[in-house]
Amino acid sequence: SQQGEEDPQALSIQEGENATMNCSYKTSINNLQWYRQNSGRGLVHLILIRSNEREKHSGRLRVTLDTSKKSSSLLITASRAADTASYFCATETGGFKTIFGAGTRLFVKA
Amino acid sequence: GAGVSQSPRYKVAKRGQDVALRCDPISGHVSLFWYQQALGQGPEFLTYFQNEAQLDKSGLPSDRFFAERPEGSVSTLKIQRTQQEDSAVYLCASSRDEQYFGPGTRLTVT
Repeated sequence: SQQGEEDPQALSIQEGENATMNCSYKTSINNLQWYRQNSGRGLVHLILIRSNEREKHSGRLRVTLDTSKKSSSLLITASRAADTASYFCATETGGFKTIFGAGTRLFVKA
Repeated sequence: GAGVSQSPRYKVAKRGQDVALRCDPISGHVSLFWYQQALGQGPEFLTYFQNEAQLDKSGLPSDRFFAERPEGSVSTLKIQRTQQEDSAVYLCASSRDEQYFGPGTRLTVT
């Protein structure tokens, strides 16, 4: 069973455009993380946002968290072809489990 | 430094065979996770080790799945009497803080 659900399931944009992906989850969390997965580099941790944080930036990435709505968004600005990948949100609820969503498949056209 | 490595990278097993999948974590990482990722889905948590102690095995889908980490370093995930539904990519991750994932073992049960 997966806690997070990403939206949209797939996204196709032109290079240079911004990409926004959303994640909704069901139970209270300690933190939420975003990961990228492509065939070249496997699954890579991008950014972690704690439950008491509302926004976090890392380079071209901006993550927001709304715990009242149990949702998060990942914004990639000025996208590049190399950003083509699947993006997953993952939540930690306490204990040791990390629960992943089904992912958003992003395709950036050059 | 070296990342997480997994072997074999690909494994084809006939239904009913036993398989063993190996994970070499990053040196010094106390925490080790196993995940199962079906095609087009996010990783699903299987089990968690802290050093040699298996603290959570709630994600193991059946008693055919067994994991060990006897010396707190290398871990092995064993699947007995494989079934077609076991076909998936098996990911290992180690962490001190954020999780670092290996490339995975793609298991195909025919």
